[in-house]
Amino acid sequence: EPEVTQTPSHQVTQMGQEVILRCVPISNHLYFYWYRQILGQKVEFLVSFYNNEISEKSEIFDDQFSVERPDGSNFTLKIRSTKLEDSAMYFCASSGRDSQYFGPGTRLTVL
Amino acid sequence: SQQGEEDPQALSIQEGENATMNCSYKTSINNLQWYRQNSGRGLVHLILIRSNEREKHSGRLRVTLDTSKKSSSLLITASRAADTASYFCATDETSTSYGKLTFGQGTILTVHP
Repeated sequence: EPEVTQTPSHQVTQMGQEVILRCVPISNHLYFYWYRQILGQKVEFLVSFYNNEISEKSEIFDDQFSVERPDGSNFTLKIRSTKLEDSAMYFCASSGRDSQYFGPGTRLTVL
Repeated sequence: SQQGEEDPQALSIQEGENATMNCSYKTSINNLQWYRQNSGRGLVHLILIRSNEREKHSGRLRVTLDTSKKSSSLLITASRAADTASYFCATDETSTSYGKLTFGQGTILTVHP
């Protein structure tokens, strides 16, 4: 059964460093998303991406964040200068029509 | 209350019993989706119910949707220890585009063997 994959599973970085989180959505899906979940809190929407552009973004998704679909398979989230409060689990999701399927997540720890 | 708020926050039952979790929301929706999350792991899609549907079944899962009350329930029948997880509802609101999901806080279900 096709699934969303994410790499790495765990990323540790120093405050101020850039990180790139990678996702491979389900191959025939057209809509892509990033969410995050701070430990003990609910899952929060960051951004949606369709037709090679951002379709919606949340207040969290400020200028420090960017997304890209560099080729036909990968979907990346870049955080330019990480802050302590960026520590969270980041989930990628994709959908064909309605149901969104999530990847296993990348746990980002900012020291 | 917030969009996609689950109730109860925690539920503890014995194996074989049924578990019912509720979700309330505030705005008009296109659909509502239920997810399971094992501790520290990813979100597993369980079931989607559209705004024009009232009930859906999938294996031991039954989901209902009452758009007039802006609420949904997830019933897990004949629970197993492996059902122990957090369960979230997530709404796809009509006011947003491209399927942005709004999650609730979740219900922590513990099934004792």
